[in-house]
Amino acid sequence: DADVTQTPRNRITKTGKRIMLECSQTKGHDRMYWYRQDPGLGLRLIYYSFDVKDINKGEISDGYSVSRQAQAKFSLSLESAIPNQTALYFCATSDTAGGGQPQHFGDGTRLSIL
Amino acid sequence: SQQGEEDPQALSIQEGENATMNCSYKTSINNLQWYRQNSGRGLVHLILIRSNEREKHSGRLRVTLDTSKKSSSLLITASRAADTASYFCATDSAGGKLIFGQGTELSVKP
Repeated sequence: DADVTQTPRNRITKTGKRIMLECSQTKGHDRMYWYRQDPGLGLRLIYYSFDVKDINKGEISDGYSVSRQAQAKFSLSLESAIPNQTALYFCATSDTAGGGQPQHFGDGTRLSIL
Repeated sequence: SQQGEEDPQALSIQEGENATMNCSYKTSINNLQWYRQNSGRGLVHLILIRSNEREKHSGRLRVTLDTSKKSSSLLITASRAADTASYFCATDSAGGKLIFGQGTELSVKP
């Protein structure tokens, strides 16, 4: 089983719909992140959480919200989807040990908004 | 805003050749990381180099860091077709929050 699991893997929906993307992890990491990837733009940070009671905005949080339901679960919501939110979305986790830690990514959710 | 700028954007080589990718960044960092992304998959961590390190090796990978020039390079030696992927640098300036570059697409032809 994958350490970081994202559901769904693919989603097509219409403008104005509310959408939730889910992420769960079995790595036991405190830190979780949501990114979006657009062609030619790399990854951009939407929200991040360093523990269950900590939620922080990233570079591009407008139009998105998150919920950290447990250490292992971090969900991303689009309250009213718009076409320019069509992108590949990634969840990642990392440990809290000092000195810098690598991030571990899920395989992504491909979201299309018509 | 993107912290890292990667060069080249795309690179095509033959199997057995070396591949070099470069990353430049703008602000001081705690560490710099390199990731690989195969088509349709999530990113996979390759190597982390701290700001007080100048060079690091992992198998066929060699990473250098020049903090005075705010730049890093990733060298893949004796490339294989399986190395075909996109490669991203990411900088950690503030306690674990990464900023990614735009990536280099590497194509290794058999």
